[in-house]
Amino acid sequence: KAGVTQTPRYLIKTRGQQVTLSCSPISGHRSVSWYQQTPGQGLQFLFEYFSETQRNKGNFPGRFSGRQFSNSRSEMNVSTLELGDSALYLCASSLVAGPYNEQFFGPGTRLTVL
Amino acid sequence: AQTVTQSQPEMSVQEAETVTLSCTYDTSESDYYLFWYKQPPSRQMILVIRQEAYKQQNATENRFSVNFQKAAKSFSLKISDSQLGDAAMYFCAPGGSQGNLIFGKGTKLSVKP
Repeated sequence: KAGVTQTPRYLIKTRGQQVTLSCSPISGHRSVSWYQQTPGQGLQFLFEYFSETQRNKGNFPGRFSGRQFSNSRSEMNVSTLELGDSALYLCASSLVAGPYNEQFFGPGTRLTVL
Repeated sequence: AQTVTQSQPEMSVQEAETVTLSCTYDTSESDYYLFWYKQPPSRQMILVIRQEAYKQQNATENRFSVNFQKAAKSFSLKISDSQLGDAAMYFCAPGGSQGNLIFGKGTKLSVKP
């Protein structure tokens, strides 16, 4: 079974631009979560989608948004990029939503904002 | 708010020896799962082991085991017979009330040959 895939793997943008990252979960998984990883803040939860609905959201500004499609693929969007948005963005999928489910992570998208 | 503390930023172990990584957390939930994830230099997060909070028996997965003390909110990871491939960042992550993972800052484990 194929794992979680994320595209692109690397991205370089400049301040003020916007970016869209994509995540394809493991086949059959309906929940997708996004995390931001930075050296200073560590791993922080962005949001979770289940059945095309945002189920949970972390403490991030409205510039960060996401969506999930009927095939469970998810995208996250960051508008008006700031230098501090440079990070590794990790996507994780699980069969269903909830605190009891093992999450499987993708390889991440490394975003650099110049 | 739920918090996770990994008090050892870095640890080192000799190959074939045993090492224990500590983790304490704070939660108001009564039922939850706890996870240890490993992140090697490739940055791919890999699940090492998980523990259901309602189970008193400590989870074991081959060379990996946990010491779960629910009352103390402590969840340490023991790696036996350490191998070079165990070198990585290790993250303790209780499951949040809404299903998201709350990660600690991580412990960087080095394995010396």
